[in-house]
Amino acid sequence: KAGVTQTPRYLIKTRGQQVTLSCSPISGHRSVSWYQQTPGQGLQFLFEYFSETQRNKGNFPGRFSGRQFSNSRSEMNVSTLELGDSALYLCASSLVTSRSHDTQYFGPGTRLTVL
Amino acid sequence: AQSVTQLDSHVSVSEGTPVLLRCNYSSSYSPSLFWYVQHPNKGLQLLLKYTSAATLVKGINGFEAEFKKSETSFHLTKPSAHMSDAAEYFCVVSVTQGGGNKLTFGTGTQLKVEL
Repeated sequence: KAGVTQTPRYLIKTRGQQVTLSCSPISGHRSVSWYQQTPGQGLQFLFEYFSETQRNKGNFPGRFSGRQFSNSRSEMNVSTLELGDSALYLCASSLVTSRSHDTQYFGPGTRLTVL
Repeated sequence: AQSVTQLDSHVSVSEGTPVLLRCNYSSSYSPSLFWYVQHPNKGLQLLLKYTSAATLVKGINGFEAEFKKSETSFHLTKPSAHMSDAAEYFCVVSVTQGGGNKLTFGTGTQLKVEL
Protein backbone atom coordinates (compact mmCIF):
# COMPACT_ATOMS: atom_id res chain seq x y z
CA LYS A 1 0.00 0.00 0.00
CA ALA A 2 1.39 3.38 -0.95
CA GLY A 3 2.18 5.76 1.88
CA VAL A 4 1.16 9.34 2.39
CA THR A 5 2.34 11.52 -0.46
CA GLN A 6 2.87 15.24 -0.41
CA THR A 7 3.46 17.61 -3.28
CA PRO A 8 5.50 19.55 -3.96
CA ARG A 9 8.44 18.43 -1.83
CA TYR A 10 10.17 21.80 -2.00
CA LEU A 11 8.82 25.25 -2.57
CA ILE A 12 10.32 28.72 -2.60
CA LYS A 13 8.06 31.75 -2.36
CA THR A 14 8.43 35.42 -1.55
CA ARG A 15 6.74 37.39 1.17
CA GLY A 16 3.16 38.33 0.42
CA GLN A 17 2.54 35.46 -1.96
CA GLN A 18 0.24 32.57 -1.26
CA VAL A 19 0.92 28.86 -1.48
CA THR A 20 -1.07 25.64 -1.73
CA LEU A 21 0.28 22.31 -0.52
CA SER A 22 -1.25 18.97 -1.35
CA CYS A 23 -1.53 15.72 0.55
CA SER A 24 -2.79 12.33 -0.60
CA PRO A 25 -3.53 9.99 2.31
CA ILE A 26 -3.04 6.26 2.44
CA SER A 27 -5.80 4.52 0.52
CA GLY A 28 -8.83 4.04 2.77
CA HIS A 29 -7.75 6.63 5.31
CA ARG A 30 -10.38 9.29 5.89
CA SER A 31 -8.66 11.58 8.36
CA VAL A 32 -5.92 14.00 7.37
CA SER A 33 -4.00 16.20 9.77
CA TRP A 34 -1.46 18.92 9.06
CA TYR A 35 1.53 19.92 11.18
CA GLN A 36 4.14 22.64 10.94
CA GLN A 37 7.73 21.92 11.96
CA THR A 38 10.21 24.72 12.63
CA PRO A 39 13.50 24.76 14.57
CA GLY A 40 12.13 27.31 17.01
CA GLN A 41 8.61 26.03 17.67
CA GLY A 42 9.05 22.34 16.95
CA LEU A 43 6.09 20.36 15.68
CA GLN A 44 2.74 22.09 15.97
CA PHE A 45 -0.74 20.95 15.01
CA LEU A 46 -2.43 23.01 12.32
CA PHE A 47 -5.76 21.30 11.64
CA GLU A 48 -7.49 17.99 11.04
CA TYR A 49 -10.06 17.03 8.43
CA PHE A 50 -12.43 14.11 8.34
CA SER A 51 -15.07 13.51 5.66
CA GLU A 52 -14.44 16.96 4.19
CA THR A 53 -15.05 18.67 7.54
CA GLN A 54 -12.51 20.42 9.72
CA ARG A 55 -12.82 18.88 13.16
CA ASN A 56 -9.93 20.50 14.98
CA LYS A 57 -7.78 23.53 14.54
CA GLY A 58 -4.55 24.59 16.18
CA ASN A 59 -3.47 28.06 17.24
CA PHE A 60 -2.55 29.50 13.88
CA PRO A 61 -3.77 32.71 12.24
CA GLY A 62 -6.53 32.69 9.67
CA ARG A 63 -3.96 32.93 6.88
CA PHE A 64 -3.63 29.18 7.28
CA SER A 65 -6.55 27.27 5.85
CA GLY A 66 -7.27 23.87 4.44
CA ARG A 67 -9.82 21.67 2.86
CA GLN A 68 -10.48 18.04 2.14
CA PHE A 69 -12.00 16.55 -0.96
CA SER A 70 -14.43 13.67 -1.29
CA ASN A 71 -11.55 11.30 -2.12
CA SER A 72 -9.90 12.31 1.21
CA ARG A 73 -7.08 14.22 -0.49
CA SER A 74 -6.35 17.43 1.32
CA GLU A 75 -4.83 20.79 0.56
CA MET A 76 -3.61 23.50 2.84
CA ASN A 77 -3.24 27.11 1.83
CA VAL A 78 -1.19 29.88 3.34
CA SER A 79 -1.98 33.39 2.19
CA THR A 80 0.14 36.52 2.53
CA LEU A 81 3.27 34.58 3.33
CA GLU A 82 5.62 35.80 6.03
CA LEU A 83 9.26 34.90 6.61
CA GLY A 84 8.22 32.99 9.72
CA ASP A 85 6.12 30.63 7.63
CA SER A 86 9.28 28.96 6.40
CA ALA A 87 8.95 25.44 7.70
CA LEU A 88 8.50 21.78 6.96
CA TYR A 89 4.80 21.08 6.56
CA LEU A 90 3.83 17.53 7.38
CA CYS A 91 0.65 15.76 6.52
CA ALA A 92 -0.54 12.67 8.37
CA SER A 93 -3.37 10.30 7.63
CA SER A 94 -5.33 7.88 9.75
CA LEU A 95 -8.17 5.44 9.20
CA VAL A 96 -10.24 7.33 11.73
CA THR A 97 -9.14 9.39 14.70
CA SER A 98 -12.11 9.04 16.98
CA ARG A 99 -9.90 7.10 19.39
CA SER A 100 -6.79 8.64 20.86
CA HIS A 101 -4.68 5.59 20.06
CA ASP A 102 -5.37 5.62 16.33
CA THR A 103 -2.04 5.85 14.55
CA GLN A 104 -1.27 8.75 12.28
CA TYR A 105 1.05 7.99 9.36
CA PHE A 106 3.18 10.83 8.10
CA GLY A 107 4.22 11.88 4.64
CA PRO A 108 7.72 13.14 3.79
CA GLY A 109 6.69 16.76 4.10
CA THR A 110 6.85 19.90 1.98
CA ARG A 111 9.77 22.20 2.69
CA LEU A 112 8.55 25.79 2.25
CA THR A 113 11.07 28.60 2.11
CA VAL A 114 9.82 32.17 2.18
CA LEU A 115 12.25 34.82 0.95
CA ALA B 1 -4.21 19.90 29.17
CA GLN B 2 -1.92 17.09 28.13
CA SER B 3 1.76 17.51 27.42
CA VAL B 4 5.02 15.63 27.11
CA THR B 5 8.49 16.64 28.23
CA GLN B 6 11.58 15.14 26.69
CA LEU B 7 14.28 15.50 29.28
CA ASP B 8 17.29 15.50 26.97
CA SER B 9 17.64 17.53 23.79
CA HIS B 10 20.78 15.59 22.76
CA VAL B 11 21.98 12.09 23.61
CA SER B 12 25.27 10.63 22.41
CA VAL B 13 26.11 6.91 22.64
CA SER B 14 28.69 4.58 21.20
CA GLU B 15 27.64 1.94 18.71
CA GLY B 16 26.73 -1.27 20.51
CA THR B 17 25.85 0.42 23.80
CA PRO B 18 22.34 0.87 25.23
CA VAL B 19 20.11 3.78 24.33
CA LEU B 20 17.83 5.58 26.79
CA LEU B 21 15.65 8.49 25.66
CA ARG B 22 13.55 9.95 28.45
CA CYS B 23 9.98 11.22 28.26
CA ASN B 24 7.57 12.35 30.96
CA TYR B 25 3.93 13.06 30.29
CA SER B 26 1.19 15.05 31.91
CA SER B 27 -2.37 13.86 31.50
CA SER B 28 -5.62 14.07 33.39
CA TYR B 29 -6.56 10.56 32.32
CA SER B 30 -5.05 7.49 30.74
CA PRO B 31 -3.06 8.75 27.79
CA SER B 32 -2.17 7.32 24.42
CA LEU B 33 1.55 7.76 23.92
CA PHE B 34 3.74 7.31 20.89
CA TRP B 35 7.38 7.47 19.90
CA TYR B 36 8.18 8.66 16.39
CA VAL B 37 11.58 8.91 14.71
CA GLN B 38 12.63 11.42 12.08
CA HIS B 39 15.70 10.92 9.95
CA PRO B 40 17.23 13.98 8.26
CA ASN B 41 14.98 15.50 5.61
CA LYS B 42 12.40 12.78 6.08
CA GLY B 43 8.93 12.54 7.55
CA LEU B 44 8.06 10.90 10.84
CA GLN B 45 8.03 7.16 11.28
CA LEU B 46 6.13 5.42 14.07
CA LEU B 47 8.38 3.40 16.38
CA LEU B 48 5.79 2.22 18.87
CA LYS B 49 2.65 3.21 20.75
CA TYR B 50 1.10 2.66 24.15
CA THR B 51 -2.63 2.06 24.26
CA SER B 52 -3.09 0.64 27.79
CA ALA B 53 -3.00 -2.99 26.64
CA ALA B 54 0.48 -3.65 28.04
CA THR B 55 2.90 -1.43 29.92
CA LEU B 56 5.96 -2.73 28.06
CA VAL B 57 5.63 -1.92 24.41
CA LYS B 58 7.87 -3.35 21.72
CA GLY B 59 8.43 -1.44 18.54
CA ILE B 60 10.39 -1.64 15.35
CA ASN B 61 14.17 -1.90 15.00
CA GLY B 62 14.63 -3.31 18.51
CA PHE B 63 13.18 -0.33 20.37
CA GLU B 64 10.86 -0.67 23.32
CA ALA B 65 9.26 1.62 25.87
CA GLU B 66 7.77 1.11 29.29
CA PHE B 67 4.74 3.01 30.52
CA LYS B 68 5.07 3.82 34.24
CA LYS B 69 2.00 5.53 35.59
CA SER B 70 3.49 6.15 39.04
CA GLU B 71 6.38 8.03 37.46
CA THR B 72 4.36 9.49 34.54
CA SER B 73 7.12 8.29 32.26
CA PHE B 74 7.38 6.59 28.89
CA HIS B 75 11.09 6.17 28.28
CA LEU B 76 12.42 4.68 25.04
CA THR B 77 15.20 2.11 25.17
CA LYS B 78 17.25 -0.09 22.90
CA PRO B 79 19.81 -2.63 24.13
CA SER B 80 22.41 -1.94 21.45
CA ALA B 81 22.69 1.18 19.32
CA HIS B 82 23.41 1.03 15.62
CA MET B 83 24.75 3.80 13.44
CA SER B 84 21.47 3.86 11.54
CA ASP B 85 19.66 4.85 14.76
CA ALA B 86 21.11 8.35 14.56
CA ALA B 87 18.05 10.57 14.13
CA GLU B 88 15.65 12.77 16.06
CA TYR B 89 13.11 11.09 18.31
CA PHE B 90 9.78 12.53 19.39
CA CYS B 91 7.61 11.50 22.30
CA VAL B 92 3.97 12.25 21.51
CA VAL B 93 0.68 12.29 23.39
CA SER B 94 -2.62 11.96 21.58
CA VAL B 95 -5.62 13.98 22.65
CA THR B 96 -9.18 13.17 21.65
CA GLN B 97 -10.92 16.42 20.88
CA GLY B 98 -13.90 17.50 18.80
CA GLY B 99 -14.58 13.98 17.59
CA GLY B 100 -11.07 13.55 16.33
CA ASN B 101 -7.65 13.56 17.87
CA LYS B 102 -4.54 15.65 17.62
CA LEU B 103 -0.96 14.93 18.50
CA THR B 104 1.07 17.01 20.92
CA PHE B 105 4.79 16.57 20.39
CA GLY B 106 7.72 16.80 22.74
CA THR B 107 10.63 19.00 21.74
CA GLY B 108 12.60 16.07 20.41
CA THR B 109 15.82 14.29 21.34
CA GLN B 110 18.65 14.20 18.84
CA LEU B 111 20.43 10.84 19.08
CA LYS B 112 24.04 10.69 17.97
CA VAL B 113 25.73 7.31 17.56
CA GLU B 114 29.51 7.24 17.49
CA LEU B 115 31.86 4.49 16.39
